[in-house]
Amino acid sequence: SQQGEEDPQALSIQEGENATMNCSYKTSINNLQWYRQNSGRGLVHLILIRSNEREKHSGRLRVTLDTSKKSSSLLITASRAADTASYFCATDDFGNEKLTFGTGTRLTIIP
Amino acid sequence: NAGVTQTPKFQVLKTGQSMTLQCAQDMNHNSMYWYRQDPGMGLRLIYYSASEGTTDKGEVPNGYNVSRLNKREFSLRLESAAPSQTSVYFCASRDRVGGYTFGSGTRLTVV
Repeated sequence: SQQGEEDPQALSIQEGENATMNCSYKTSINNLQWYRQNSGRGLVHLILIRSNEREKHSGRLRVTLDTSKKSSSLLITASRAADTASYFCATDDFGNEKLTFGTGTRLTIIP
Repeated sequence: NAGVTQTPKFQVLKTGQSMTLQCAQDMNHNSMYWYRQDPGMGLRLIYYSASEGTTDKGEVPNGYNVSRLNKREFSLRLESAAPSQTSVYFCASRDRVGGYTFGSGTRLTVV
């Protein structure tokens, strides 16, 4: 079963705007990760946030984690056409060393 | 470039045929994984190997077998392919801090 659920399933915004995607999960986690997948390609690791962290930045990406609500958000600022892709959250559960993926958010940046 | 290499990239099988998907990583990672991705869905774990010589079932192991040949290589075998196994298959390896590197995928069609 899927651990993470992304919201929204699809998002279209104008280039230059900010994009926010949310992820909810069910069980206790060791860390939560975000990945990008361009159409027909493999997954690219974007950012990892540990369960004891609340916020993390990487370039134009900002990830927050609220373990009390079992939720995370990914913010992409100043979006570009090249950001068009599917974005997946994935949780690394305690003691399992397995990554469980959500169903993804399809992001389209309109030039 | 360092990373995860999968072969083949594309394959068409007839129902009942067998084949092995190959995966190799050159990052000296202990853990390796096989996922499948169906249209509009996230990745689901088939099998994983936490270290050389060990393998464990994931969420959807039925119809598959794996071999952790050595630290670098982790193969996935379909003994008798079925149309339900039409999917894109991804191999991944995990580093010490929990980040995953994915291969570019194998697109398998079973007719």
